[in-house]
Amino acid sequence: EVQLVESGGGLVKPGGSLRLSCAASGFTFNNAAMSWVRQAPGKGLEWVGRIKMNTDGGTVEYAAPVKGRFTISRDDSKNTLYLQMNSLKTEDTAVYFCATYSGYNKDWGQGTLVTVSS
Amino acid sequence: DIVMTQSPDSLAVSLGERATINCKSSQSVLYSSNNKNYLAWYQQKPGQPPNLVINWASTRESGVPDRFSGSGSGTDFTLTISSLQAEDVAVYYCQQFYTTPVTFGGGTKVEIK
Repeated sequence: EVQLVESGGGLVKPGGSLRLSCAASGFTFNNAAMSWVRQAPGKGLEWVGRIKMNTDGGTVEYAAPVKGRFTISRDDSKNTLYLQMNSLKTEDTAVYFCATYSGYNKDWGQGTLVTVSS
Repeated sequence: DIVMTQSPDSLAVSLGERATINCKSSQSVLYSSNNKNYLAWYQQKPGQPPNLVINWASTRESGVPDRFSGSGSGTDFTLTISSLQAEDVAVYYCQQFYTTPVTFGGGTKVEIK
Protein backbone atom coordinates (compact mmCIF):
# COMPACT_ATOMS: atom_id res chain seq x y z
CA GLU A 1 0.00 0.00 0.00
CA VAL A 2 1.33 3.41 -0.98
CA GLN A 3 1.87 5.73 1.97
CA LEU A 4 2.94 9.35 1.83
CA VAL A 5 3.39 11.16 5.12
CA GLU A 6 4.13 14.88 5.19
CA SER A 7 5.72 16.65 8.14
CA GLY A 8 7.37 19.93 9.00
CA GLY A 9 4.43 22.30 8.82
CA GLY A 10 3.76 24.96 11.41
CA LEU A 11 3.53 28.66 12.13
CA VAL A 12 6.19 30.92 10.63
CA LYS A 13 6.54 34.68 10.31
CA PRO A 14 6.52 36.42 6.94
CA GLY A 15 9.99 36.30 5.44
CA GLY A 16 10.81 33.12 7.32
CA SER A 17 11.71 29.64 6.11
CA LEU A 18 10.38 26.15 6.57
CA ARG A 19 11.28 22.73 5.21
CA LEU A 20 8.61 20.15 4.59
CA SER A 21 9.31 16.45 4.26
CA CYS A 22 7.30 13.66 2.68
CA ALA A 23 8.20 10.11 3.70
CA ALA A 24 7.21 7.57 1.08
CA SER A 25 6.63 3.83 1.38
CA GLY A 26 4.84 1.02 -0.41
CA PHE A 27 6.30 1.72 -3.83
CA THR A 28 9.68 2.13 -5.51
CA PHE A 29 10.33 5.76 -4.68
CA ASN A 30 13.35 6.20 -6.94
CA ASN A 31 11.19 5.18 -9.92
CA ALA A 32 8.56 7.82 -9.23
CA ALA A 33 8.22 11.45 -10.14
CA MET A 34 6.74 13.44 -7.28
CA SER A 35 4.96 16.72 -6.81
CA TRP A 36 3.74 19.19 -4.22
CA VAL A 37 0.24 20.63 -4.36
CA ARG A 38 -1.15 23.16 -1.91
CA GLN A 39 -4.58 24.27 -0.80
CA ALA A 40 -5.20 27.56 0.96
CA PRO A 41 -7.91 27.43 3.65
CA GLY A 42 -11.31 27.09 2.01
CA LYS A 43 -9.82 27.38 -1.47
CA GLY A 44 -9.00 25.13 -4.39
CA LEU A 45 -5.95 23.13 -5.37
CA GLU A 46 -2.76 24.77 -6.60
CA TRP A 47 0.17 22.94 -8.15
CA VAL A 48 3.46 23.95 -6.54
CA GLY A 49 5.89 21.93 -8.64
CA ARG A 50 7.29 18.54 -9.49
CA ILE A 51 10.56 16.64 -9.56
CA LYS A 52 11.34 13.87 -12.01
CA MET A 53 13.09 10.68 -10.97
CA ASN A 54 16.87 10.88 -11.03
CA THR A 55 17.12 8.37 -13.89
CA ASP A 56 15.02 10.83 -15.89
CA GLY A 57 17.29 13.73 -15.07
CA GLY A 58 15.78 14.69 -11.73
CA THR A 59 14.64 17.99 -13.21
CA VAL A 60 12.36 20.28 -11.27
CA GLU A 61 9.64 22.66 -12.39
CA TYR A 62 7.84 25.23 -10.28
CA ALA A 63 4.68 27.25 -10.42
CA ALA A 64 5.27 30.96 -10.99
CA PRO A 65 4.15 32.13 -7.50
CA VAL A 66 6.85 30.05 -5.78
CA LYS A 67 9.67 30.06 -8.34
CA GLY A 68 12.88 31.44 -6.84
CA ARG A 69 11.61 30.99 -3.27
CA PHE A 70 10.80 27.27 -3.03
CA THR A 71 13.08 24.32 -3.77
CA ILE A 72 11.94 20.76 -4.35
CA SER A 73 14.46 17.98 -3.78
CA ARG A 74 14.53 14.28 -3.09
CA ASP A 75 16.70 11.79 -1.24
CA ASP A 76 16.11 8.41 -2.79
CA SER A 77 18.26 6.71 -0.14
CA LYS A 78 15.73 7.89 2.46
CA ASN A 79 12.61 7.59 0.28
CA THR A 80 11.89 11.20 1.11
CA LEU A 81 10.72 14.24 -0.82
CA TYR A 82 11.42 17.74 0.42
CA LEU A 83 10.06 21.24 -0.05
CA GLN A 84 12.31 24.03 1.15
CA MET A 85 10.31 27.23 1.46
CA ASN A 86 12.10 30.57 1.86
CA SER A 87 10.93 34.17 1.93
CA LEU A 88 7.49 32.99 2.96
CA LYS A 89 4.50 35.25 2.40
CA THR A 90 1.09 35.28 4.06
CA GLU A 91 -0.38 34.01 0.79
CA ASP A 92 1.69 30.83 1.14
CA THR A 93 -0.58 29.79 4.03
CA ALA A 94 -2.02 26.44 2.97
CA VAL A 95 -2.12 22.71 3.49
CA TYR A 96 0.74 21.25 1.49
CA PHE A 97 0.26 17.81 -0.04
CA CYS A 98 2.88 15.60 -1.59
CA ALA A 99 1.70 13.26 -4.32
CA THR A 100 3.01 10.84 -6.88
CA TYR A 101 3.18 12.44 -10.29
CA SER A 102 2.41 11.00 -13.69
CA GLY A 103 1.08 14.28 -14.92
CA TYR A 104 -1.96 13.47 -12.85
CA ASN A 105 -1.58 12.70 -9.13
CA LYS A 106 -2.61 9.19 -8.19
CA ASP A 107 -1.49 8.89 -4.56
CA TRP A 108 -1.61 11.71 -2.00
CA GLY A 109 -0.48 12.28 1.53
CA GLN A 110 -2.78 13.73 4.19
CA GLY A 111 -1.04 17.09 4.01
CA THR A 112 0.69 19.39 6.47
CA LEU A 113 -0.51 22.88 7.36
CA VAL A 114 1.78 25.86 6.91
CA THR A 115 0.62 29.13 8.44
CA VAL A 116 2.49 32.32 7.61
CA SER A 117 1.50 35.03 10.00
CA SER A 118 3.07 37.69 12.19
CA ASP B 1 -0.77 28.77 -18.60
CA ILE B 2 -3.88 26.73 -19.41
CA VAL B 3 -6.87 28.04 -17.50
CA MET B 4 -9.43 25.48 -16.35
CA THR B 5 -12.96 26.74 -15.80
CA GLN B 6 -15.53 24.58 -14.02
CA SER B 7 -19.26 25.02 -13.89
CA PRO B 8 -21.35 25.22 -11.89
CA ASP B 9 -19.59 26.30 -8.70
CA SER B 10 -22.04 24.16 -6.75
CA LEU B 11 -25.03 21.96 -7.36
CA ALA B 12 -27.60 20.19 -5.24
CA VAL B 13 -28.98 16.92 -6.56
CA SER B 14 -31.51 14.51 -5.08
CA LEU B 15 -30.33 11.07 -4.07
CA GLY B 16 -30.43 8.74 -7.05
CA GLU B 17 -30.48 11.58 -9.56
CA ARG B 18 -27.79 12.57 -12.07
CA ALA B 19 -25.09 15.12 -11.32
CA THR B 20 -23.19 16.74 -14.16
CA ILE B 21 -20.07 18.88 -13.79
CA ASN B 22 -18.46 20.73 -16.67
CA CYS B 23 -14.85 21.71 -17.22
CA LYS B 24 -13.47 23.86 -20.00
CA SER B 25 -9.81 24.41 -20.80
CA SER B 26 -8.47 27.59 -22.38
CA GLN B 27 -6.64 25.51 -24.98
CA SER B 28 -6.88 21.94 -26.18
CA VAL B 29 -5.46 19.24 -23.92
CA LEU B 30 -5.72 16.60 -26.62
CA TYR B 31 -2.31 15.33 -27.67
CA SER B 32 -2.66 14.46 -31.34
CA SER B 33 0.20 11.94 -31.49
CA ASN B 34 -1.52 9.53 -29.11
CA ASN B 35 -5.10 10.85 -29.27
CA LYS B 36 -5.23 11.19 -25.48
CA ASN B 37 -6.81 13.97 -23.50
CA TYR B 38 -4.56 15.01 -20.62
CA LEU B 39 -7.43 15.64 -18.22
CA ALA B 40 -8.13 14.21 -14.77
CA TRP B 41 -10.94 14.49 -12.23
CA TYR B 42 -10.55 14.41 -8.45
CA GLN B 43 -13.00 14.07 -5.58
CA GLN B 44 -12.19 15.77 -2.30
CA LYS B 45 -14.18 15.22 0.88
CA PRO B 46 -13.81 17.55 3.88
CA GLY B 47 -10.57 17.08 5.76
CA GLN B 48 -9.22 14.60 3.23
CA PRO B 49 -6.73 14.81 0.37
CA PRO B 50 -8.04 14.68 -3.18
CA ASN B 51 -8.82 11.27 -4.61
CA LEU B 52 -8.19 10.54 -8.30
CA VAL B 53 -11.45 9.45 -9.90
CA ILE B 54 -10.88 9.70 -13.65
CA ASN B 55 -7.76 10.12 -15.78
CA TRP B 56 -7.21 10.52 -19.50
CA ALA B 57 -10.64 12.22 -19.47
CA SER B 58 -12.62 8.98 -19.36
CA THR B 59 -10.64 6.20 -17.63
CA ARG B 60 -12.08 5.36 -14.26
CA GLU B 61 -9.55 4.60 -11.53
CA SER B 62 -9.58 1.16 -9.94
CA GLY B 63 -12.14 0.97 -7.16
CA VAL B 64 -14.18 3.94 -8.36
CA PRO B 65 -17.87 3.07 -8.69
CA ASP B 66 -19.15 2.81 -12.25
CA ARG B 67 -21.72 5.53 -11.57
CA PHE B 68 -18.81 7.93 -12.19
CA SER B 69 -17.98 8.61 -15.82
CA GLY B 70 -15.91 11.15 -17.71
CA SER B 71 -16.40 12.37 -21.24
CA GLY B 72 -15.31 15.07 -23.64
CA SER B 73 -12.34 15.94 -25.77
CA GLY B 74 -10.19 18.89 -26.71
CA THR B 75 -11.38 21.72 -24.53
CA ASP B 76 -14.73 20.58 -23.12
CA PHE B 77 -15.15 17.86 -20.55
CA THR B 78 -17.85 16.47 -18.27
CA LEU B 79 -17.89 14.40 -15.11
CA THR B 80 -21.19 12.61 -14.58
CA ILE B 81 -22.42 10.85 -11.48
CA SER B 82 -25.30 8.81 -12.85
CA SER B 83 -27.10 8.14 -9.57
CA LEU B 84 -25.94 10.33 -6.70
CA GLN B 85 -25.24 8.58 -3.42
CA ALA B 86 -24.77 10.20 -0.01
CA GLU B 87 -21.07 9.30 -0.03
CA ASP B 88 -20.56 11.31 -3.24
CA VAL B 89 -20.99 14.62 -1.42
CA ALA B 90 -17.66 16.32 -2.06
CA VAL B 91 -15.88 18.96 -4.08
CA TYR B 92 -14.79 17.83 -7.53
CA TYR B 93 -11.83 19.29 -9.42
CA CYS B 94 -10.68 18.90 -12.99
CA GLN B 95 -6.97 19.11 -13.78
CA GLN B 96 -5.04 19.40 -17.02
CA PHE B 97 -1.66 17.73 -17.23
CA TYR B 98 -1.05 18.46 -20.90
CA THR B 99 1.63 20.94 -20.00
CA THR B 100 3.29 22.46 -16.97
CA PRO B 101 2.30 24.26 -14.92
CA VAL B 102 -0.36 21.69 -14.23
CA THR B 103 -3.55 23.59 -13.50
CA PHE B 104 -6.79 22.81 -11.70
CA GLY B 105 -10.31 24.06 -12.11
CA GLY B 106 -11.83 26.03 -9.26
CA GLY B 107 -13.90 23.12 -8.00
CA THR B 108 -17.58 22.17 -7.95
CA LYS B 109 -19.30 21.42 -4.66
CA VAL B 110 -21.87 18.62 -4.91
CA GLU B 111 -24.53 18.43 -2.23
CA ILE B 112 -27.74 16.52 -1.59
CA LYS B 113 -30.98 18.34 -2.35
